[in-house]
Parts: sequence; C-alpha cells; structure tokens
Amino acid sequence: GQSLEQPSEVTAVEGAIVQINCTYQTSGFYGLSWYQQHDGGAPTFLSYNALDGLEETGRFSSFLSRSDSYGYLLLQELQMKDSASYFCAVSGNTPLVFGKGTRLSVIA
Amino acid sequence: EAEVAQSPRYKITEKSQAVAFWCDPISGHATLYWYRQILGQGPELLVQFQDESVVDDSQLPKDRFSAERLKGVDSTLKIQPAELGDSAMYLCASSLMDSGRGAFFGQGTRLTVV
Repeated sequence: GQSLEQPSEVTAVEGAIVQINCTYQTSGFYGLSWYQQHDGGAPTFLSYNALDGLEETGRFSSFLSRSDSYGYLLLQELQMKDSASYFCAVSGNTPLVFGKGTRLSVIA
Repeated sequence: EAEVAQSPRYKITEKSQAVAFWCDPISGHATLYWYRQILGQGPELLVQFQDESVVDDSQLPKDRFSAERLKGVDSTLKIQPAELGDSAMYLCASSLMDSGRGAFFGQGTRLTVV
C-alpha cells in the first residue's frame, strides 16, 4: 500500500522561510505532488516532482529524493495568505493518495 | 480558465435517504477521481476512473456507494442509503493522465446527514 507522513502543524513568521517535510512509502513510484487548501476551499495543485532535485515556482519550491522516499515543500517570503493546509500526495501503481496535511499558520 | 464543475455545493439530507453528486471534469482530462474529506484530514480516495473505466474503487463502500462515468466525461457519485457518518466534503478532481501529475479539484459538495 501507500502511506505518507508529514507534520500536523507548523507556525512561522511573516517574511520568513518554512519547510514542510513529507516521507512516503509506495510501490511503483511515479511522483510526489503538493497541494494547498484554505479553510472551506478545495485543494489547489502547487507542484509535482517525478525526478530527484528541486523544482521552483515563484516563492514555492519542492524537492524530491527518490532514494530516501522523502520530499519537502519550501515556502519563501511568507505572507499571511499562505496560512492554509498543505498536503503531499504520492502516485504510483495505486492511485493518487494524500497525506493527512500540515496546517501552516503565518504570524505577524 | 478551465475548471472542474461540481454540484450541488451544499446538500442536507436525512439518514436513509438517497443522495447524488455530479462532476464535470476539465475538458480532455481522461482521469477522474472522487475523494471524501473529513474536516481536518486529508482527502481519501473513493474511486478513480480512466475514461469510462474504473481503475480503483477498493475504498468505495460498495454496499451503499456507487459511481459511474458512462460516456467518459461527467460522473455521478451516489449514496443510498445515507448514514450520519457520511457527512463530509465530497471532492471531484481530474487530470490529463493517471500519473497523478497535476490533479485539479472542483469546489466540492458539503454533505450533511441529519
């Protein structure tokens, strides 16, 4: 089967950098993706890594190490609007499976 | 901008009644997912379609839940009979391929069973 582990909560200061880690177990790995979800809203796609290394999209970057079954989402220049839940999701021989989510609180 | 359409946005139903949710994916997206999300938890996959075929429904409670995508485009998820524990957000998502890359979600249907 598939399983993912990520911290349940993270708090960071506005303007700072925060890293949200994700470790996974899966068979037939395709890729690791990240989603953001604000309270009351739907998850929105942020990034996808299929190969080792860093993918950068504006203030957000995502990293993958296939050998370590590990990835992280890096958020830079944090803004209050970044307060949300962040989910890692893994795809493999079985369909897209989500972690339990990390609730990020950005404080002034 | 293309988006996944879901209806209704909110549904209140009495237990033992039937309820149905509809999803229209982004045009051209062959893969369609139905997820259930309980407040404070991650989305849990109920069923995945590739075109009109079911790829995975191992987590779908088949005694009361059914899903179809007859023409490989829009999809319907049904619950009959509804139970109190079914209260949750039901999310539909679609993607171009089944690799899981870039799944786009609809706004969801918030179901309350009373």
